[in-house]
Amino acid sequence: GAGVSQTPSNKVTEKGKYVELRCDPISGHTALYWYRQSLGQGPEFLIYFQGTGAADDSGLPNDRFFAVRPEGSVSTLKIQRTERGDSAVYLCASSPDRGGNEQFFGPGTRLTVL
Amino acid sequence: AQTVTQSQPEMSVQEAETVTLSCTYDTSESDYYLFWYKQPPSRQMILVIRQEAYKQQNATENRFSVNFQKAAKSFSLKISDSQLGDAAMYFCALTQGGSEKLVFGKGMKLTVNP
Repeated sequence: GAGVSQTPSNKVTEKGKYVELRCDPISGHTALYWYRQSLGQGPEFLIYFQGTGAADDSGLPNDRFFAVRPEGSVSTLKIQRTERGDSAVYLCASSPDRGGNEQFFGPGTRLTVL
Repeated sequence: AQTVTQSQPEMSVQEAETVTLSCTYDTSESDYYLFWYKQPPSRQMILVIRQEAYKQQNATENRFSVNFQKAAKSFSLKISDSQLGDAAMYFCALTQGGSEKLVFGKGMKLTVNP
């Protein structure tokens, strides 16, 4: 079946602009995660959804970052007033349930802020 | 706080040989899960192997096996009969029971020489 998809695959924007990154999880997966991977680093957790609600948003770096999952499926990560330091690969993952299950990752969106 | 440490940034192995990737971690919880993920240049993270902390038996998946030393908080990955397709970044990761986020190490780049 179809895996996790993310759009766009690459996004170039200017400092100060607003961007939206989209994630389509595997059908039926209730858990959805966003991570950010800077060059040469491992992914860092941003936010976790269980269904429609954000169960853990402790990884969001500041209030410029926001994510939604209104119908419990597709999620959008929104970044306001982008800064050069926001440049990274943003990874989305989904899993069928909680409890240390495998997280299935998408190919990521590479965000470049000029 | 949870931490994952991968102290070797790069390793190389000859095709058909065996290589061991090291990982240490720290957590105050008794209920946790450990993972090795592979990230090829395509960026998509792929699960290699998963270990439940309460299980004493080391996990194996075909050519991949782990050496889980709970008291030492060590979780190394052994790749037998290395293949060219094994070349990638390898990330060790941890999630605690009750917290669904993955905490990743910095990764290790594996090169497989023909």
